[in-house]
Amino acid sequence: NAGVTQTPKFRVLKTGQSMTLLCAQDMNHEYMYWYRQDPGMGLRLIHYSVGEGTTAKGEVPDGYNVSRLKKQNFLLGLESAAPSQTSVYFCASTSKGQFGEQYFGPGTRLTVT
Amino acid sequence: AQRVTQPEKLLSVFKGAPVELKCNYSYSGSPELFWYVQYSRQRLQLLLRHISRESIKGFTADLNKGETSFHLKKPFAQEEDSAMYYCALSRYGGATTKLIFGTGTLLAVQP
Repeated sequence: NAGVTQTPKFRVLKTGQSMTLLCAQDMNHEYMYWYRQDPGMGLRLIHYSVGEGTTAKGEVPDGYNVSRLKKQNFLLGLESAAPSQTSVYFCASTSKGQFGEQYFGPGTRLTVT
Repeated sequence: AQRVTQPEKLLSVFKGAPVELKCNYSYSGSPELFWYVQYSRQRLQLLLRHISRESIKGFTADLNKGETSFHLKKPFAQEEDSAMYYCALSRYGGATTKLIFGTGTLLAVQP
């Protein structure tokens, strides 16, 4: 039981490049979330999903897209990376009824130069 | 607007000293509040939730609706308590419950 995993762990991009971050969970959770963590800002919700095939915008969605084609996977895409997207990205999941208890992945550290 | 405020970026104490990490919130309704912890090089994990009224690793937190606070306390700090602590508020909307996090407080326990 791996819990929530994220790929890759680290990545350096140049401005304008694109990439996809993969989040996978093996707990059969319905809900999945993408956050970014910045110094002095805490964690901010980018996008979330309440089930396979559904996604919704969070607090800071601009510049990101997401997809949830399979229940266990939640992908975060950056189509044209900007230095402002330099951050640590966390994925989380939870099941119906657990609400506040979210299970987090180890994070992806992204640097955009 | 719903908001969680953690006024201290850094709290440094000596081992054995009492610890209080402050958290204030604004929310129109009955709040559900949580404390999450992130130890060095580890993932974020739930420490405790107000509804359980539990003590985890010696930490407790009481919801004070009058003062809109949910401070995290421990009577005697240990070096292994050094970590980043986030207070979070649960908010329902968009067919799911979302967490609103504070900016976090780094607790450093000195030997």
